[in-house]
Amino acid sequence: QSVLTQPPSVSAAPGQKVTISCSGSSSNIGNNYVSWYQQLPGTAPKLLIYENNKRPSGIPDRFSGSKSGTSATLGITGLQTGDEADYYCGTWDSSLSADWVFGGGTKLTVL
Amino acid sequence: QVQLQESGPGLVKPSQTLSLTCTVSGGSISSGSYYWSWIRQPAGKGLEWIGRIYTSGSTNYNPSLKSRVTISVDTSKNQFSLKLSSVTAADTAVYYCARLPAARPGDAFDIWGQGTMVTVSS
Repeated sequence: QSVLTQPPSVSAAPGQKVTISCSGSSSNIGNNYVSWYQQLPGTAPKLLIYENNKRPSGIPDRFSGSKSGTSATLGITGLQTGDEADYYCGTWDSSLSADWVFGGGTKLTVL
Repeated sequence: QVQLQESGPGLVKPSQTLSLTCTVSGGSISSGSYYWSWIRQPAGKGLEWIGRIYTSGSTNYNPSLKSRVTISVDTSKNQFSLKLSSVTAADTAVYYCARLPAARPGDAFDIWGQGTMVTVSS
């Protein structure tokens, strides 16, 4: 059971937009920055978004992040088949659960 | 650019100690402010943070694993290591090493190793 809650799966057609939610609490998302990671099949996770809404160099602006209260959202526009992957949110946690926590992951299917 | 590479046995017997090493290339492990971390992922499941060691050598571990985990650093070899004792089949997973800058509160895991599969089985 992950500390951060994500939907197990989302899907959308190529060219469309999708959002992935990440729900937490005041001990994690509520008082810390959120990051997002993309894990393509058989590969290591890759940083997509940090500091809630910033993109590392090389990440296209089709990917966006936002945070409100104890929830965060990853948005992907102009979906491509190459976006099919698992997406994870993560942040610090000040409770006894762990120093750093991840969401359970969301499988994105581009139909 | 900095790269990370995990290494270690791919098969460990139950009750024994899992030992992995992460080699840092393209930069010094002791320069800058970073949390050098271990993260694992059982097959078909999500990511679990195991623990981290700061550039200074201080450590923090996931409470669920704390009694069995030790993370250390060898600056002379530009490596940091993970030891997980008394392993069971539940510890079977892909193990990743990753870098987390410690400069700003919003920093995130920006560099990951490719991962190494460890199976616990007799």
